[in-house]
Amino acid sequence: QKEVEQDPGPLSVPEGAIVSLNCTYSNSAFQYFMWYRQYSRKGPELLMYTYSSGNKEDGRFTAQVDKSSKYISLFIRDSQPSDSATYLCAMKISGSSASKIIFGSGTRLSIRP
Amino acid sequence: DTAVSQTPKYLVTQMGNDKSIKCEQNLGHDTMYWYKQDSKKFLKIMFSYNNKELIINETVPNRFSPKSPDKAHLNLHINSLELGDSAVYFCASSPSSGSTDTQYFGPGTRLTVL
Repeated sequence: QKEVEQDPGPLSVPEGAIVSLNCTYSNSAFQYFMWYRQYSRKGPELLMYTYSSGNKEDGRFTAQVDKSSKYISLFIRDSQPSDSATYLCAMKISGSSASKIIFGSGTRLSIRP
Repeated sequence: DTAVSQTPKYLVTQMGNDKSIKCEQNLGHDTMYWYKQDSKKFLKIMFSYNNKELIINETVPNRFSPKSPDKAHLNLHINSLELGDSAVYFCASSPSSGSTDTQYFGPGTRLTVL
């Protein structure tokens, strides 16, 4: 079983829809949770970063963490064609002096105009 | 201004060759990383250096050898290239190796081994 599981998609939704992207994880030592966005032929860029259970909002994006269920989500409101990209969830263990990020396999999202 | 840059952007080579990929960051960060992203978009860490010192060394064939001449540069040399080495290699940097530090990724080097 992989440490981080993510549905690869592809996921295609119409413009303006609410998008829900999800990941599950097995290692309860993960304490920091991130969402990266990766456009085609580009490097990943950090979108959201959280370390506590609950919701964190940034504009049209909301990151949700449920540590009891080992489940994280990213919601995109009023989705735009420019949101079309691969979204990677990522996690880190806290307190490590050489902390490494464990990535999910990414969900490819397409927003139809 | 490019924060994390990699050269070359594309690399096509024959099996058995030796090649190098270079990475530079102008962010003043202490920590740099090499990641490999396979054809299924799975991104996995290979190495990390903090102030020129190796701190993460994942299970990677010893044909792969990172070198950090200074904290702004981290190069990756690959000996005896194999078909399975074909992937996109990303360099990244962060202010330090701490848990809360954001990693900034370069544009990637697409390596194709024929």
